Amino acid sequence: NAGVTQTPKFQVLKTGQSMTLQCAQDMNHNSMYWYRQDPGMGLRLIYYSASEGTTDKGEVPNGYNVSRLNKREFSLRLESAAPSQTSVYFCASGFRANEKLFFGSGTQLSVL
Amino acid sequence: QQQVKQSPQSLIVQKGGISIINCAYENTAFDYFPWYQQFPGKGPALLIAIRPDVSEKKEGRFTISFNKSAKQFSLHIMDSQPGDSATYFCAPGETSGSRLTFGEGTQLTVNP
Repeated sequence: NAGVTQTPKFQVLKTGQSMTLQCAQDMNHNSMYWYRQDPGMGLRLIYYSASEGTTDKGEVPNGYNVSRLNKREFSLRLESAAPSQTSVYFCASGFRANEKLFFGSGTQLSVL
Repeated sequence: QQQVKQSPQSLIVQKGGISIINCAYENTAFDYFPWYQQFPGKGPALLIAIRPDVSEKKEGRFTISFNKSAKQFSLHIMDSQPGDSATYFCAPGETSGSRLTFGEGTQLTVNP
């Protein structure tokens, strides 16, 4: 049972490049989330999808887009990467937000 | 992010001691109060959670205490062990809502 799988684990981009972070869960969860984690700032919500077919902005959505491809998959896209987007990105899923969330192991992204 | 304030930012405890981490929140609509534990290089994982119909919940060495009037809840780790060394996040939310609000994190170090 894989849980929440994120790819890639590490990525280095140049300013202005684009990329997509992939996330898949095999627990039949309704809700999926993308967070970024920066030192001293906890986890900040970028976008979330409360159910298949819906997406909503979180605290820090600027510079990102998301796609809920199906119930299993939720991708995060950086159209034009900036150094301020250097961070560790976590995908999470759960049946509902206010029950147990399961997190992936993270993607370490550096934008030079 | 100012809605949730954790303290202390870091904590060093001797093996066998008691670790106490506090979380203060502003939103009176919050009615779900979890603590997440994160080890280096891993995603956060739910440790323990409480709902406001009780003032305390204990699971093994971990206890949540909840004070509704003060809008605070705390994590107590009894008989702290080196394996408890991790970053701890509070993440209160609304049962009817669709997302959690994470605190900034507390880095706990338990010395042998």
